[in-house]
Amino acid sequence: QKEVEQDPGPLSVPEGAIVSLNCTYSNSAFQYFMWYRQYSRKGPELLMYTYSSGNKEDGRFTAQVDKSSKYISLFIRDSQPSDSATYLCAMSERWSGGYNKLIFGAGTRLAVHP
Amino acid sequence: DTAVSQTPKYLVTQMGNDKSIKCEQNLGHDTMYWYKQDSKKFLKIMFSYNNKELIINETVPNRFSPKSPDKAHLNLHINSLELGDSAVYFCASSQGQGAYNEQFFGPGTRLTVL
Repeated sequence: QKEVEQDPGPLSVPEGAIVSLNCTYSNSAFQYFMWYRQYSRKGPELLMYTYSSGNKEDGRFTAQVDKSSKYISLFIRDSQPSDSATYLCAMSERWSGGYNKLIFGAGTRLAVHP
Repeated sequence: DTAVSQTPKYLVTQMGNDKSIKCEQNLGHDTMYWYKQDSKKFLKIMFSYNNKELIINETVPNRFSPKSPDKAHLNLHINSLELGDSAVYFCASSQGQGAYNEQFFGPGTRLTVL
């Protein structure tokens, strides 16, 4: 079993829809949770960042972390064709010096059609 | 004024050859990474350097040898290329060793081994 599980999709939605993307994880030591967005033939870029549990909102994007269920979500409101990309969840343990790495999910490919 | 740049962007080569990929960042970061992204978009860390010192060395065949001549550069040399090495290789950088720091990715080098 992978440390981080993410449905690869693809997910196809009409413009204006609410999109829900999710990841589950097995390592209870994960403290930092991120969502990276990767456009086709480009490198990933950080979209949202959450520490521990709770919600974070940034414009049309909301990130949620439920540590009790080991489940994180990214919601996109009023989705736009420009949101079409692969969304990768990523997480890490608390850093206390030395070896510390970011573990990525497989990425979910999202297509928003006009 | 590209933040993280990689060369070459595409690399097509025969099995058994040796090749190098170069990475440079102009963000003033002290930590740099090499990631491998396979055909299923799964992004996995290979190496990380902090101030030219190797801090993460995942279970990667020793045919792969990273080298960091200075904080702004991280190169990857691959000996005796195999078909399974075909992937997109991403360089990234961050300020600080902790994986919770935002990582800035380059555009990727698409390696095809024939």
